Amino acid sequence: AAGVIQSPRHLIKEKRETATLKCYPIPRHDTVYWYQQGPGQDPQFLISFYEKMQSDKGSIPDRFSAQQFSDYHSELNMSSLELGDSALYFCASSTGTPGYGYTFGSGTRLTVV
Amino acid sequence: KQEVTQIPAALSVPEGENLVLNCSFTDSAIYNLQWFRQDPGKGLTSLLLIQSSQREQTSGRLNASLDKSSGRSTLYIAASQPGDSATYLCAVVNAGGTSYGKLTFGQGTILTVHP
Repeated sequence: AAGVIQSPRHLIKEKRETATLKCYPIPRHDTVYWYQQGPGQDPQFLISFYEKMQSDKGSIPDRFSAQQFSDYHSELNMSSLELGDSALYFCASSTGTPGYGYTFGSGTRLTVV
Repeated sequence: KQEVTQIPAALSVPEGENLVLNCSFTDSAIYNLQWFRQDPGKGLTSLLLIQSSQREQTSGRLNASLDKSSGRSTLYIAASQPGDSATYLCAVVNAGGTSYGKLTFGQGTILTVHP
């Protein structure tokens, strides 16, 4: 069965650079969520999209932005990267009805040096 | 604000033991609760999803229960194996307030099963 696809799997950037993370949800899933997981931490909600519109926003820095495109894939853009942005970034998708649960991608490991 | 707590933070057991992981949440207004497994540096694998109207779900050697009114869930692992070693995360999907639809995670239980 198709899963949530994230790219790239690993990314190394220098401070103050920009990074773009991509997420391709499960077909027919219309909702995408982004989570950030720091070392030894539980995942923290960043932002979500439903039907290409931002549906909710969590603890996402102003340096980050995201959008969902017409094919439902989503991109997380991160600018002016800081060392503290180093983390695993997960994308999850669902049908938009919270009761059906979430499916997570394998994540993108971002390392800022 | 929903808060999810998992106990214990770490657990080390010999192979073959049955074990219980605990999860509690402060706001009972949830759609469902999911248990995830995470291997070091890897993604989240969904193990079991329990709807708010359900009491338990089973998959193989795993059984998860939910007591929504008391804000508690347990994950029971039977006949543990070294391959079960991982971090187990409990997460609830919030049904109300400003956290509607979002997953709130616990800090996880790090499980080590010794051969």
